[in-house]
Amino acid sequence: SAVISQKPSRDICQRGTSLTIQCQVDSQVTMMFWYRQQPGQSLTLIATANQGSEATYESGFVIDKFPISRPNLTFSTLTVSNMSPEDSSIYLCSADPGQGRYGYTFGSGTRLTVV
Amino acid sequence: AQKITQTQPGMFVQEKEAVTLDCTYDTSDPSYGLFWYKQPSSGEMIFLIYQGSYDQQNATEGRYSLNFQKARKSANLVISASQLGDSAMYFCAMRESYGNNRLAFGKGNQVVVIP
Repeated sequence: SAVISQKPSRDICQRGTSLTIQCQVDSQVTMMFWYRQQPGQSLTLIATANQGSEATYESGFVIDKFPISRPNLTFSTLTVSNMSPEDSSIYLCSADPGQGRYGYTFGSGTRLTVV
Repeated sequence: AQKITQTQPGMFVQEKEAVTLDCTYDTSDPSYGLFWYKQPSSGEMIFLIYQGSYDQQNATEGRYSLNFQKARKSANLVISASQLGDSAMYFCAMRESYGNNRLAFGKGNQVVVIP
């Protein structure tokens, strides 16, 4: 199955700044997904990113706050903009390897703390 | 409406015993997939097992098995012979054939294995 390298693994950021998270997949994948996991909570989908098209955002998430790029079939970035302490979470990217039964692959996550 | 329901409180399990984690789901899609993931304290998401809605047999992967009761919309995970390394959060997730292949996650079950 695909392997995803996600970075940074953690960061502490000042409020009002932005952080860009990168995910590199070792094979071509059609769809990539970005999730937020707030402390002690489950995973909430932020958006779906397909190569060559605008990301599709879930209710409650907007492009101005979480711009996403998907320049090719192996790479995607998520930017958390104008951060506030409420953005402190784990952010995970995921890829659908298209193999159905073998599970979606996840990056190792980015632990973001906003101070 | 919540699509995946995991309502069990945190569980303590004796090492070498079996544990069952409950998951119920809600969908009108006849073609769907159910996944279980493990998330240890390190934060990574580890794929455990998959069950397709049309699969005739319950899925098994090593010490993991899935008790799939389609009519009851239930997909419980059974971990046999628990090990200390099984201590983690366990998430049930569903993919529907519509909806851009994204996964919807339940709130998770916390399992602590004690020696």
